[in-house]
Amino acid sequence: QVQLVQSGSELKKPGASVTVSCKASGFTLPPYSINWFRQAPGQGLDWLGWINTNTGKPTYAQAFTGRFVFSLDTPVTTAYLQISSLKAEDTAVYYCARDRKIIDFDVWGQGTMVTVSS
Amino acid sequence: QSVLTQPPSVSAAPGQKVTISCSGSSSDIGNNYVSWYQQLPGTAPKLLIYDNNQRPSGIPDRFSGSKSGTSATLGITGLQTGDEADYYCGTWDSSLSVGVFGGGTKLTVL
Repeated sequence: QVQLVQSGSELKKPGASVTVSCKASGFTLPPYSINWFRQAPGQGLDWLGWINTNTGKPTYAQAFTGRFVFSLDTPVTTAYLQISSLKAEDTAVYYCARDRKIIDFDVWGQGTMVTVSS
Repeated sequence: QSVLTQPPSVSAAPGQKVTISCSGSSSDIGNNYVSWYQQLPGTAPKLLIYDNNQRPSGIPDRFSGSKSGTSATLGITGLQTGDEADYYCGTWDSSLSVGVFGGGTKLTVL
């Protein structure tokens, strides 16, 4: 079964870091790119950016540069999203999604809830 | 604030038809394919329409997509209570080389 399996919920204190994983199951990540999204409670989807699984090159949406880092493991089976210097406003569900072409997300992870609270 | 403009909410009775609009510009919708996603409460988004009007396998033909100029439309016929969800449009912005999305439309089936 083709799916993306994300890591479990996280509770972090402000200023800490968190890493969310997104593992491909039933398919190989290249040639698909992996995109990351954030959805704050009761809000819409924010596109964080994407990572090219062939080259490892990440591209970040303007609002998500600096504290957000996309990476891959070797061999390429899992994508990672690391967020540093966490703030309360980072509290959200984070999704990864497989992109078949450009903005054609046919497989989504189940989501990872990240809660930032002191 | 989202780049693509969608109505915050739409509603219709079971069995009726509804359309959801998505408005952009020449650098995004005007020159790229549009996709649509359905997000049922508490679940991850699901691809409904890609390449403006193509349905993935398993998506019923009650769902349709179209594009004209810098706007796109999602149509849903034969509304069912199970269609109550948030719907998002998305495309690529060729000028900025970024993905752009609508703020989402909440569909209520009365």
